[in-house]
Order: sequence, then structure tokens, then C-alpha cells
Amino acid sequence: DAGITQSPRYKITETGRQVTLMCHQTWSHSYMFWYRQDLGHGLRLIYYSAAADITDKGEVPDGYVVSRSKTENFPLTLESATRSQTSVYFCASSESFPSSGETQYFGPGTRLLVL
Amino acid sequence: GQNIDQPTEMTATEGAIVQINCTYQTSGFNGLFWYQQHAGEAPTFLSYNVLDGLEEKGRFSSFLSRSKGYSYLLLKELQMKDSASYLCAVLGDNTGGFKTIFGAGTRLFVKA
Repeated sequence: DAGITQSPRYKITETGRQVTLMCHQTWSHSYMFWYRQDLGHGLRLIYYSAAADITDKGEVPDGYVVSRSKTENFPLTLESATRSQTSVYFCASSESFPSSGETQYFGPGTRLLVL
Repeated sequence: GQNIDQPTEMTATEGAIVQINCTYQTSGFNGLFWYQQHAGEAPTFLSYNVLDGLEEKGRFSSFLSRSKGYSYLLLKELQMKDSASYLCAVLGDNTGGFKTIFGAGTRLFVKA
């Protein structure tokens, strides 16, 4: 299917385990983003990428690692999961950087529970 | 600092008009987005305001006053399907790396 997809949609893991959340888009958008959404906080930017092999930190990057070897994929890894990383994670993409007002298109989200 | 304020919840009646306010204090400003997010789903784009004034798009309109750090989303002829969260988001300028900062969202309940 065309668009932006995330996998898994739901994940339960334990403290200290490594977890990778996948994001795939079929539009060949240059920019991709990872956000987390928690009650009372809204969406907070974790990392973003301007192109393959170019990534930069967002507002809350600690405890997360990203890579972008291909334009269409932007995986997010929690190296050693903590309970505070229990959240809903959204991946998004945009054709150009939002400085032009280009909207971001969001994936369906991954609900992560860290026990 | 960066701060975006929206009411947490609002309730309105089907067929009525509702105004969702957003005030912001950010280190830079390039424009303001409104997104709609139904429960358990992804946010979807509604509007983007750069200049002061009202922009109308069907039943939805968005207003911006940059001097007051204020925006509102106006929903007319409310329908049950409009029950959702509405996210206000400010796009910063180059001093902040053009990052988008989101408010916590306003949950709108539309009752019959």
C-alpha cells in the first residue's frame, strides 16, 4: 500500500531490552521525523532526517538511536528501554522541510509499553 | 522558552459552532498548523497560517494574530465525526532550526 506505514503497531517489552520501531514511506519524501506522544505533552520530536545518511536530534533524543540508509526507511531504536519510554510513537514524512509550510504526513503510530 | 497553550477539553452540540483557541510563546515563528487527530489514529493536516487573518476552508476556518501570539480554529455546522483532538503546532524559524512545536491538543466532544 502506498503511504507511510509503521511496524509493529503494538509492542510490549521489558526494561533494558533493545527495541526497534520501523517506519516506511513510499512517496520518496526527503524528510522523515519521529515523535512521541504522551498525555499532556502533545507530540515531541525525537529525531529527524533530511535525507539518507543525514539525521539530527529533536527535542527529546536521549535513549534513542536512528539511522537512514535508504530514503524510504527510518527506523528508531531504543537501545535499553525504560518505563519512561512507554508512549505512542509516530513517524512522519514531508516532501520538503516544514520551513515552507509543507505539511507532515503521519503514520498510524506504534503503541509501546515497557514493563 | 517554548510554550503553546490550548484548552484541554471542550464540548459542543451537533450543528453548532465551536472555537478552539491557541496561544503561543516561541523563540521564533514561521507559521502555525492545525491538525485533527481522532482517537487512536494519526494526526491529519487541517490548515497552515503564515499571515494574520482568517482563512476559510469549508466548515473549518483558522485565524492568526502574530502580534498577539494567538490563533483559533473555528468549526461550523458541527458533526458527530468532528469529535477528535485538535492540535495547534508552531513552526519555528531558522534560529530554532525550523522545528515544529506541538501543543498538547484540545479534545472536542460533539454531543447530539
